[in-house]
Amino acid sequence: QQQVKQSPQSLIVQKGGISIINCAYENTAFDYFPWYQQFPGKGPALLIAIRPDVSEKKEGRFTISFNKSAKQFSLHIMDSQPGDSATYFCAAPSYSSASKIIFGSGTRLSIRP
Amino acid sequence: EAGVAQSPRYKIIEKRQSVAFWCNPISGHATLYWYQQILGQGPKLLIQFQNNGVVDDSQLPKDRFSAERLKGVDSTLKIQPAKLEDSAVYLCASSEDGNNSPLHFGNGTRLTVT
Repeated sequence: QQQVKQSPQSLIVQKGGISIINCAYENTAFDYFPWYQQFPGKGPALLIAIRPDVSEKKEGRFTISFNKSAKQFSLHIMDSQPGDSATYFCAAPSYSSASKIIFGSGTRLSIRP
Repeated sequence: EAGVAQSPRYKIIEKRQSVAFWCNPISGHATLYWYQQILGQGPKLLIQFQNNGVVDDSQLPKDRFSAERLKGVDSTLKIQPAKLEDSAVYLCASSEDGNNSPLHFGNGTRLTVT
C-alpha cells in the first residue's frame, strides 16, 4: 500500500520561530495535498492544502511548499505561537482512488513560550 | 453549519463484548468515512461510503467490524467481538463529494477495551 511519510515525529520550537514539517509521497498521481491540524480530544481539521500546479501557497502564517521533482511537500509555520501546539498530519489521495485519503503518521509540535 | 456529530464520546468495554458507534455527517455531504486512530498514529481509513454505497472497505477487519449508512445519511460502525487491540479513537468524517474536497471530522469516540 502506498504511504505518506512524514517527519519529524516531534518538534519543539521557540515562540516566534519557524516550524517546518515535511512530507514525502510515493505516487505522482496525487493532485491534492492537504495538511490537517489536531488538538487533543478533537478530530483533525483542515489547515491548508495545495495542488501541484503551484509551488507554494500561503495563508496567514502558514505556507505549503511543494517540490514535485522530489515528491515532497512541507508545512512552514512562521512566527510560531503557543496556540499552534498540536499534532499535524499531511495527507494525500490514494493511487487507487482519488477520494481515499491516506494520512501521515503525524508530527507533534510544541511551541515554547 | 453544524459539524459532524459522533456518539458516544467515550466507551469502555471488556474484550469479546460488542460496541456500536454512531455518526451524523454534515448535511448534504455525499461521502462518509470511518477512520481508526491509535494513540500516537495517524488516522487509518476503515471504510468509505459514497451516499449509501461502499467505496472502499479494504482495511476493515470484516470478521469483527461492520458498518452501514442508512439512507445515505447517518452511519453506524460496530465491533463484535472486540479485542484489546481495538482500543483507539474512532473518527467519522464527511466531505461534499470525495474528490479532493476537504474532510470534516467529528471529535471521535474513544474506545477502551479491557
